[in-house]
Amino acid sequence: DTAVSQTPKYLVTQMGNDKSIKCEQNLGHDTMYWYKQDSKKFLKIMFSYNNKELIINETVPNRFSPKSPDKAHLNLHINSLELGDSAVYFCASSHRDGNTIYFGEGSWLTVV
Amino acid sequence: RKEVEQDPGPFNVPEGATVAFNCTYSNSASQSFFWYRQDCRKEPKLLMSVYSSGNEDGRFTAQLNRASQYISLLIRDSKLSDSATYLCVVNLMNRDDKIIFGKGTRLHILP
Repeated sequence: DTAVSQTPKYLVTQMGNDKSIKCEQNLGHDTMYWYKQDSKKFLKIMFSYNNKELIINETVPNRFSPKSPDKAHLNLHINSLELGDSAVYFCASSHRDGNTIYFGEGSWLTVV
Repeated sequence: RKEVEQDPGPFNVPEGATVAFNCTYSNSASQSFFWYRQDCRKEPKLLMSVYSSGNEDGRFTAQLNRASQYISLLIRDSKLSDSATYLCVVNLMNRDDKIIFGKGTRLHILP
């Protein structure tokens, strides 16, 4: 039983394309996140949602648009992909207090 | 000063040795602290929380020094399987629920 699952795991796409990464958690958590980990391994938060409401929106290009249809899902849509978007994107979830964050396995995005 | 700062390493340590690394944080209002472990090409996973009084979990000991604003992780009798990146995490537990990850310290245990 995967607690936080995200798809696809690997994605290779051309510059300018639009792509989506889906995420689902079955832990009953109220809060979900998207993190980006770049080639320097720095894990940086992009978005945080609590009960489908956007809580944190860090400085991220507006080409990135999260969508939370319900509190168990948080999808990430990226428009007009650029080379610099190549990274690992981790979905995660936690209870409201943020203690113990459970991560998905990551989605390896390569833009060519 | 960065919000959460760690020595990136790598720390190359022989098997069986004891290794320790610190993490400093800039916001004195930080409420809770954690160490996460990330293996190569895997997702981060919680290793242990860090309590004010210090806490131990097997070979791992975590300590918090609020006055100097740092947390530490000590690994005794290191095993090859301890090789990983250790991420320091600070939770402000404020309205924005800001949780900050450090860049991690890479640890290599050598046979």
